[in-house]
Amino acid sequence: NAGVMQNPRHLVRRRGQEARLRCSPMKGHSHVYWYRQLPEEGLKFMVYLQKENIIDESGMPKERFSAEFPKEGPSILRIQQVVRGDSAAYFCASSPGGVSSYNEQFFGPGTRLTVL
Amino acid sequence: DAKTTQPNSMESNEEEPVHLPCNHSTISGTDYIHWYRQLPSQGPEYVIHGLTSNVNNRMASLAIAEDRKSSTLILHRATLRDAAVYYCILRDSVDSGGSNYKLTFGKGTLLTVNP
Repeated sequence: NAGVMQNPRHLVRRRGQEARLRCSPMKGHSHVYWYRQLPEEGLKFMVYLQKENIIDESGMPKERFSAEFPKEGPSILRIQQVVRGDSAAYFCASSPGGVSSYNEQFFGPGTRLTVL
Repeated sequence: DAKTTQPNSMESNEEEPVHLPCNHSTISGTDYIHWYRQLPSQGPEYVIHGLTSNVNNRMASLAIAEDRKSSTLILHRATLRDAAVYYCILRDSVDSGGSNYKLTFGKGTLLTVNP
């Protein structure tokens, strides 16, 4: 059973460009979470999605950031008009479903975004 | 989420036991104690979780104080591959329309394992 997959692993963008980060959850998982880790800091929750639904986006910056998890295909985190402060590691996690403290989250290897 | 306090760093020798402490004095009765770890350049991985009783799995043991205000993650024989940042996280078991799916990561404890 393949784990959570993220691509690309490394992404370089110039200021003002768009960044698209992809996450394929583990097989059978219908819940996806995105976290951001700035250098030398812990991970911060961004958004929680189920298929075709955004459940909680309270951690998403108000502008330029969006996320989706379509019926078919991977979850996408999209950052428009990137700025240097967006440089970070972005981690996706998935879980089988159900809002329970029993459900561990399985994390992908992350996408390291560098904005020049 | 209730706050946890962990030492910034700890050091251990290979094949010796490691005890990683976590204080959570404001824990509520419905909070589970979760531990995740993050190896260098990787995403976090689940280690163990518990509520009141001590727990064991293939990776580690979790010792929970009787008053639940603190807990200790125990690695019985540290290996070089255990060098990572260890995060102690509280998650509410009650879904009251809240956000107990969120993992709130602090800065964790950086464990260094010496050969």
